[in-house]
Amino acid sequence: QLVLTQSPSASASLGASVTLTCTLSSGHSGYAIAWHQQQPEMGPRYLMKVNSDGSHNKRDGISDRFSGSSSGAERYLTISSLQSEDEADYYCQTWGTGIHVVFGGGTKLTVL
Amino acid sequence: QVQLVESGGGLVKPGGSLRLSCAASGFTFRDYYMSWIRQAPGKGLEWVSYISGRGDTIYYADSVKGRFTISRDNAKKSLYLQMNSLRAEDTAIYYCARVFVYYDTSGYGYWGQGTLVTVSS
Repeated sequence: QLVLTQSPSASASLGASVTLTCTLSSGHSGYAIAWHQQQPEMGPRYLMKVNSDGSHNKRDGISDRFSGSSSGAERYLTISSLQSEDEADYYCQTWGTGIHVVFGGGTKLTVL
Repeated sequence: QVQLVESGGGLVKPGGSLRLSCAASGFTFRDYYMSWIRQAPGKGLEWVSYISGRGDTIYYADSVKGRFTISRDNAKKSLYLQMNSLRAEDTAIYYCARVFVYYDTSGYGYWGQGTLVTVSS
């Protein structure tokens, strides 16, 4: 069974950088994932897809401050020069035959 | 510009029915698998169902199988979710979305703003 694990919370200071992690369960390290951002009281927004080789395709209009990368079974979302509007919940998501669509539990990012 | 606009949510009694709609614009709707995803109050995202561009491939989460039916009308660029035998645990914001699935991983993902379904007596 494929499970995506995310830390429930993260925090960083205004102007700093933060890296959020999404971990694929054992045996599934080759899967790509997508990152979605959900700002308070809003619907989610797709940010990017991150492949197992670290390549990623970011949606048009997403700031260059957002980047994705991979290492083994971990997929990362790095946000640099944090701004107040980056305070949001971040979800990773993957897909496959049988599992269909799976979301991680989400990470609540607080900008201090 | 891509837009997904949901409608049809509301308050319904346990055991009741509701039909959600999603109007799509700004992209070639018929080319993409489309999903319904829900979010219970204060909780994370839960995939509910998806349907292929032609409507011939459909999957449901176990939690809604046999009670919910997804469909689409490509001429109207619309996605639907018929929800029957509703339970209190179906209370959630329901999002229409294009998220990646096994058969469709090109381009970008898109989300609507959601419609709230409340199941309560």
